[in-house]
Amino acid sequence: DQQVKQNSPSLSVQEGRISILNCDYTNSMFDYFLWYKKYPAEGPTFLISISSIKDKNEDGRFTVFLNKSAKHLSLHIVPSQPGDSAVYFCAASDPSGTYKYIFGTGTRLKVLA
Amino acid sequence: DVKVTQSSRYLVKRTGEKVFLECVQDMDHENMFWYRQDPGLGLRLIYFSYDVKMKEKGDIPEGYSVSREKKERFSLILESASTNQTSMYLCASSLGGMGNTFGSGTRLTVV
Repeated sequence: DQQVKQNSPSLSVQEGRISILNCDYTNSMFDYFLWYKKYPAEGPTFLISISSIKDKNEDGRFTVFLNKSAKHLSLHIVPSQPGDSAVYFCAASDPSGTYKYIFGTGTRLKVLA
Repeated sequence: DVKVTQSSRYLVKRTGEKVFLECVQDMDHENMFWYRQDPGLGLRLIYFSYDVKMKEKGDIPEGYSVSREKKERFSLILESASTNQTSMYLCASSLGGMGNTFGSGTRLTVV
């Protein structure tokens, strides 16, 4: 049973426009979320995080929004650049205290020049 | 910067072979993890360890074992490789509840 879901396997966006990547979760006990970016043949790299006490966190071109009542988070990239083309994973911290993260299935973003 | 190093980028092994995937981190992190990444399935946790000689099963431990004899090293062992274990394997480490820092991955092909 997938507790963290990324329902869009792929997304294409024009350079300069906004990219919005979505993530839904089922467990209301999740209290910390992260986004990772992964290029082919490389490991994922940390992008941005958000705690459940916030509804927004911003870092440069990247903003993560959290809607706890909807159990939904989204990553906004503005403006999108060709170098942003990668697979993006959202992850939720396991509330059992084991320091595990539960990952979504990923969304492949393609930014068109 | 934390560095997580996986010993091989690409491996090709035969069905039935015993396979060792090695991972070393250099920042004294307590927690280490092994994931596999498959298209459409995301990152799935195989095993993790939060201390030397400690190990916990993740979501898909069948066919795998692990070893953590030293804090900086976490090995994944495929006891008898099968073709359905062809995958990208990712090692990660973390300090406490902080997010995972990943290695570059090992692309394993079992023929």
